[in-house]
Amino acid sequence: GEDVEQSLFLSVREGDSSVINCTYTDSSSTYLYWYKQEPGAGLQLLTYIFSNMDMKQDQRLTVLLNKKDKHLSLRIADTQTGDSAIYFCAASTGFQKLVFGTGTRLLVSP
Amino acid sequence: DGGITQSPKYLFRKEGQNVTLSCEQNLNHDAMYWYRQDPGQGLRLIYYSQIVNDFQKGDIAEGYSVSREKKESFPLTVTSAQKNPTAFYLCASAGVWNTIYFGEGSWLTVV
Repeated sequence: GEDVEQSLFLSVREGDSSVINCTYTDSSSTYLYWYKQEPGAGLQLLTYIFSNMDMKQDQRLTVLLNKKDKHLSLRIADTQTGDSAIYFCAASTGFQKLVFGTGTRLLVSP
Repeated sequence: DGGITQSPKYLFRKEGQNVTLSCEQNLNHDAMYWYRQDPGQGLRLIYYSQIVNDFQKGDIAEGYSVSREKKESFPLTVTSAQKNPTAFYLCASAGVWNTIYFGEGSWLTVV
């Protein structure tokens, strides 16, 4: 089955760019997602990309997809302290079933 | 406002007790899901339902039960057969382009 992996932790300074990486194993994954979770809260859908795309930009967020390497990244420009949270990568082959990574904790220091 | 409402936010269960977590959505989504999250870990799928009166087991369904009598509602019962139920439970529903939206979650603790 699908396996999604992420690094556990990333620390950046306010104003820098953050890049969170994710790898997945199932090359038939059609939909790839990034979610944000703040402490004690549910998951907030940040953005998503289809497998027929290489890049998607949405304000401060840029998603890059390398299908050959099965690698997904999320870049946050001008990172703010309010961006501190856990970021989850998720992949789906369709039929609306997602497989989640274990999450990357982003810490933004002033 | 449209969204997914989970209740209660915090719930305590005694040994041997069944408890039910509520999940209601007004997004007119057909598909609904229950996930479990343990501290420092990702999400694991418990049950999902693609349509009213139908549901399927996810990866960790043992000790849980669900019903889907209405499109808007997908309650989860944590039974006494679930030996380690302390966790954060997340309900979700799926919209267009396979996008899944989450509720705010329910914390269940065994006392």
